Formats: sequence, C-alpha cells, structure tokens
Amino acid sequence: QAVVTQEPSLTVSPGGTVTLTCGSSTGAVTSGHYPYWFQQKPGQAPRTLIYDTSNKHSWTPARFSGSLLGGKAALTLSGAQPEDEAEYYCLLSYSGDLWVFGGGTKLTVL
Amino acid sequence: EVQLVESGGGLVQPGGSLRLSCAASGFTFSSYWMHWVRQAPGKGLVWVSRINSDGSSTSYADSVKGRFTISRDNAKNTLYLQMNSLRAEDTAVYYCARDWDGYWGQGTLVTVSS
Repeated sequence: QAVVTQEPSLTVSPGGTVTLTCGSSTGAVTSGHYPYWFQQKPGQAPRTLIYDTSNKHSWTPARFSGSLLGGKAALTLSGAQPEDEAEYYCLLSYSGDLWVFGGGTKLTVL
Repeated sequence: EVQLVESGGGLVQPGGSLRLSCAASGFTFSSYWMHWVRQAPGKGLVWVSRINSDGSSTSYADSVKGRFTISRDNAKNTLYLQMNSLRAEDTAVYYCARDWDGYWGQGTLVTVSS
C-alpha cells in the first residue's frame, strides 16, 4: 500500500503565508489522485477544505488554496489567522478504489 | 440538513466482534458512496473502507481486509461496518464520511482491550 507523506509540523506567523505539501511513495502526485485536504481541530471531526486538487467548499475560507507543486499536492494558506491552528491531512486516491491519508501536519500560528 | 450519526462503539475483548452503524439523514443516501475512517487516540486519520451507492462494490485497507465488512441498507438510510477478529490496534474513533464531499459524522469510539 502506498505511503503518503506530509511535513510533521510547520509554524506560520499571523498574517503570513505557509505551504503544506503531500507526496506519494509511488511517484508524482497528479490530478488523477484527486488530492483532498482536511482540517481537524482537537476534539472535532475533520472538515474538508479542498477537493480534487484545488476546489473549495462553500465553507472554505478564501485564504486557503490547493494546487500541484513539484510533484506533490500543496495547500497554501495566505494570511494565516489564529483560528487556522490545527492538524491538516491530505488524502490521495489510488486507482479510484483505495484511499490513503497522509500522516498529518500540525500547523502552529505563532 | 445533512447529518451522519455513528453508533455501536464500545469496549470489546481482543478477538471479539462489533458492528458500527451510521445513520444518515438530510440527503438522498442511496445516491452517495460512503467511507469509514478511523483515528487511534492521538494519531492520524486512516481510511478503512468504502462502499458504492447501491452496495455492489466495496474496498478495504490492507489492515482490515478479511476482518471487516462494510455494507449499507438504503431503505433504512444506514451504513454499517462489521468488525470481526478485533485487535488492540483497532482501537480508535471510527467516522463515517459521505463521499469526501465535506460531511462527516462525529465518530464512535471502539476500544479493544481485555
């Protein structure tokens, strides 16, 4: 089974910009992996931020954006807010039938 | 309003069985693929299983294949996860999710311990 890798932790200053990445052990991440990004705060269920690489839900703040960058999926946060401090998970689809989460990135806004 | 409510979690001995349910409301359940995801205490999310909209196709993570069975009853708007031969490493909060389109339940805790 594929392994999906994320930065274990990142720190961003309030108002700053940070990019989280999501790589695959099988090679480059492409749109065919339908990358998803989820946000999870302590004690809460995950919340979907981005689907199919770059699409946002109605509840996704405009400061979040998704893309493909250097063979990885990427989540960019521009203008970080204190409430963005959370764990972020990416999810990749393999052959449309298996899904693998990354290990998560703990984002600190400090 | 879309709602997903899991139930059926609890304490079970190693080797035992448990069936989780996920009651869906506020949408046409029979039109959506559904997933189970788990999260061990203090750990990350792990995809467990998925089922297509009419229940004719399923898939599983390697860690649960042969032990867990996903199913659904579209007449009852309910998703199930039958878990057999449970191990300590299956201890987790189990979430159901609708087709990754943004709707998750709040989870039910399964603890496997003697």
